[in-house]
Amino acid sequence: QQQVKQSPQSLIVQKGGISIINCAYENTAFDYFPWYQQFPGKGPALLIAIRPDVSEKKEGRFTISFNKSAKQFSLHIMDSQPGDSATYFCAARTGGGNKLTFGTGTQLKVEL
Amino acid sequence: KAGVTQTPRYLIKTRGQQVTLSCSPISGHRSVSWYQQTPGQGLQFLFEYFSETQRNKGNFPGRFSGRQFSNSRSEMNVSTLELGDSALYLCASSIDKEGGLRDTQYFGPGTRLTVL
Repeated sequence: QQQVKQSPQSLIVQKGGISIINCAYENTAFDYFPWYQQFPGKGPALLIAIRPDVSEKKEGRFTISFNKSAKQFSLHIMDSQPGDSATYFCAARTGGGNKLTFGTGTQLKVEL
Repeated sequence: KAGVTQTPRYLIKTRGQQVTLSCSPISGHRSVSWYQQTPGQGLQFLFEYFSETQRNKGNFPGRFSGRQFSNSRSEMNVSTLELGDSALYLCASSIDKEGGLRDTQYFGPGTRLTVL
């Protein structure tokens, strides 16, 4: 019940295209859903996050769509750039602290 | 403002030894969490400390332990190292002020531990 399932495992997108990564969860106690970006040799960096009482949040080229009834959320990267090539992790936080349960990651490659 | 710092960045140990990793959170941050990252298991939560007390714990054996000091700096210790403990160990900090924003966790660059 603590799992967060993430897909796809890898993704290749053309420059200027839209990258879409999906996550699903079971635990309704999760109260905060962040997305992290990780480059090789670096720690994960927070991209954007959403709470379950909001259906969509947009920050620049990054948008989270959240479907509470389906227990699914997704990251959309508009106008994808080669610099966006990285591994993306969705996560979910259990209330009462900062424990994050992470998805398995999506390796994104944006080609010219 | 300086980010989360972790020392050492790289470490090589042999099976059976013990190791201590250090994390200095962002100034003013009171919560420190530790994660293990491996290609096979991904990112897994180890434990979280807040005000020198363990607030959350993941599903790791008792060989993994941690502590937090009064200045919020944290250490984690792994005793009797096994080959499977080879991983990137990440530390993350967040503000966690009373009534304030608790959500954002900032990660350090990690300590790469290799067990031979």
